[in-house]
Amino acid sequence: DAGITQSPRHKVTETGTPVTLRCHQTENHRYMYWYRQDPGHGLRLIHYSYGVKDTDKGEVSDGYSVSRSKTEDFLLTLESATSSQTSVYFCAIKAGEGGDTQYFGPGTRLTVL
Amino acid sequence: QKEVEQDPGPLSVPEGAIVSLNCTYSNSAFQYFMWYRQYSRKGPELLMYTYSSGNKEDGRFTAQVDKSSKYISLFIRDSQPSDSATYLCAMSAAGTGANNLFFGTGTRLTVIP
Repeated sequence: DAGITQSPRHKVTETGTPVTLRCHQTENHRYMYWYRQDPGHGLRLIHYSYGVKDTDKGEVSDGYSVSRSKTEDFLLTLESATSSQTSVYFCAIKAGEGGDTQYFGPGTRLTVL
Repeated sequence: QKEVEQDPGPLSVPEGAIVSLNCTYSNSAFQYFMWYRQYSRKGPELLMYTYSSGNKEDGRFTAQVDKSSKYISLFIRDSQPSDSATYLCAMSAAGTGANNLFFGTGTRLTVIP
């Protein structure tokens, strides 16, 4: 599991509430990513980070913000959750062969009612 | 048109069969190619990694890349029920930097005992 944990693993919330998902890694990797996975769309990049306080947008960043105040933690915030944000969220780090492969966490299943 | 196309299946085969999974892509800059396996309600796990064209073999798994046709394949020999999962192809253009991956939507495979 490349030393990646995600919390919470499951969450049910209501439309309009803020939600924060946490990704924690233990191996000091520089690059971290947040994806969402939906049927028919596969994995889509939301935001990524290339260092402490250094982040950038991905393909589907609207409605999401991120923060990285420590190397080991990458937070994803849904500022005002909507039903379209019901999804499975995966965190990933870049590591491995040639340093260009990504390893994923176990995922967070989020339901917005 | 999506950058990466993958037949979603589902694909059902008897135990012991040879399985062929495929992806096509449109971006000729892609040169790093990966296959991930994802069991139900789990995170994707890296199965195979290939740089540029050619074949790579690892046990029962063989990854092939044909850059001239923009086509990659994963072959599974002597398939087992434990191979039942969704297989995702992924690819990227650069080995350095954030190296954002582009994913296929995944092919669901069932190996019947």
